[in-house]
Amino acid sequence: SQQGEEDPQALSIQEGENATMNCSYKTSINNLQWYRQNSGRGLVHLILIRSNEREKHSGRLRVTLDTSKKSSSLLITASRAADTASYFCATDAPGAGSYQLTFGKGTKLSVIP
Amino acid sequence: KAGVTQTPRYLIKTRGQQVTLSCSPISGHRSVSWYQQTPGQGLQFLFEYFSETQRNKGNFPGRFSGRQFSNSRSEMNVSTLELGDSALYLCASSILPATLDYGYTFGSGTRLTVV
Repeated sequence: SQQGEEDPQALSIQEGENATMNCSYKTSINNLQWYRQNSGRGLVHLILIRSNEREKHSGRLRVTLDTSKKSSSLLITASRAADTASYFCATDAPGAGSYQLTFGKGTKLSVIP
Repeated sequence: KAGVTQTPRYLIKTRGQQVTLSCSPISGHRSVSWYQQTPGQGLQFLFEYFSETQRNKGNFPGRFSGRQFSNSRSEMNVSTLELGDSALYLCASSILPATLDYGYTFGSGTRLTVV
């Protein structure tokens, strides 16, 4: 079942603008991860934020996590055409025996040159 | 270092046939997971292996099975193929038993089309 729900489903922006994507989830988590997928290819891990962290940065990426609202956001600053892709949040549930990621349906980002 | 390698990249099979997909994880990664991606259902977890043991299985019928070898390479098998099995099958490896601190590294996937 899908735990995460990304919002918006699709986003179109001009190169140089910032892109913000949101993710909501339903159960408690160990961590939340964001992945990028270029058309029909494999997923690329972008950033992982633990449940006890509130914000994390990596290059042009900024991720926030609000466990009280069970939500996260991914901000891509100064977007480039090469950022055009689908972005997925994925949660890693706590407890031994999980060992799986539960993905949202993704946000399709189009960056127009 | 080499990434996660999935073979073949593309596959066309007929309903009722069976198929085997292969995944070679990054050297040193002992956890291998499989995911199915379809337009309708999105990304869904199939199973996870560590040290040749299946530790978790998703909600898929018994036609879907897998195994892991002593060198951590993994295969998944789908028997009696149905049209709905058409999907991108993704393999992911991780350096740890659990991904508490690290993400997964995914392969480029195998695109299976059932006709």
